[in-house]
Amino acid sequence: GENVEQHPSTLSVQEGDSAVIKCTYSDSASNYFPWYKQELGKGPQLIIDIRSNVGEKKDQRIAVTLNKTAKHFSLHITETQPEDSAVYFCAASNSGGYQKVTFGTGTKLQVIP
Amino acid sequence: NAGVTQTPKFQVLKTGQSMTLQCAQDMNHNSMYWYRQDPGMGLRLIYYSASEGTTDKGEVPNGYNVSRLNKREFSLRLESAAPSQTSVYFCASSEWTGDYEQYFGPGTRLTVT
Repeated sequence: GENVEQHPSTLSVQEGDSAVIKCTYSDSASNYFPWYKQELGKGPQLIIDIRSNVGEKKDQRIAVTLNKTAKHFSLHITETQPEDSAVYFCAASNSGGYQKVTFGTGTKLQVIP
Repeated sequence: NAGVTQTPKFQVLKTGQSMTLQCAQDMNHNSMYWYRQDPGMGLRLIYYSASEGTTDKGEVPNGYNVSRLNKREFSLRLESAAPSQTSVYFCASSEWTGDYEQYFGPGTRLTVT
């Protein structure tokens, strides 16, 4: 089955700096890579996703990059703000009639004001 | 729209007791999922239901059973709770096409003593 590794497990940055979280996956058949943000006491919520036919995707201060050859994908947050503090999960999926998604172990991001 | 709702929010069980975690979604999604979240382990899939009338094991199904009661509801049952089942449980739902996003409920924090 799919295995997703995520690094780092914790990340502290100063407000306004950038944050980068990296993930690797094992199954070359995976073709959908979502990123979820989990705030304290809540369920995860999708913030951005990328499909395997795209190398990069941006949404305001958030961007994801995908290297299919190396089986790497990354989340980049620019101009970090205190409200970006949360746990972030990467995931990989082989899309089909349903989404059986394998999640990484999470990165706790702390943005220091 | 309430999205995905879960009951109860908190529960304490003694070893050997049984209980059912309830989940309902009002988005007319076909697929539903149960995950457990443990520190350092990320989200691990317990069971999923690709569509009404079907259920399948995920990564960590031992000690659990599920029922897809109808399209809206998907319950998780612990027949004989063990301390190793202390965790936060999340239910999620998604659709088959277009928007692959999984929508998560707020979670149930379960402690088994």
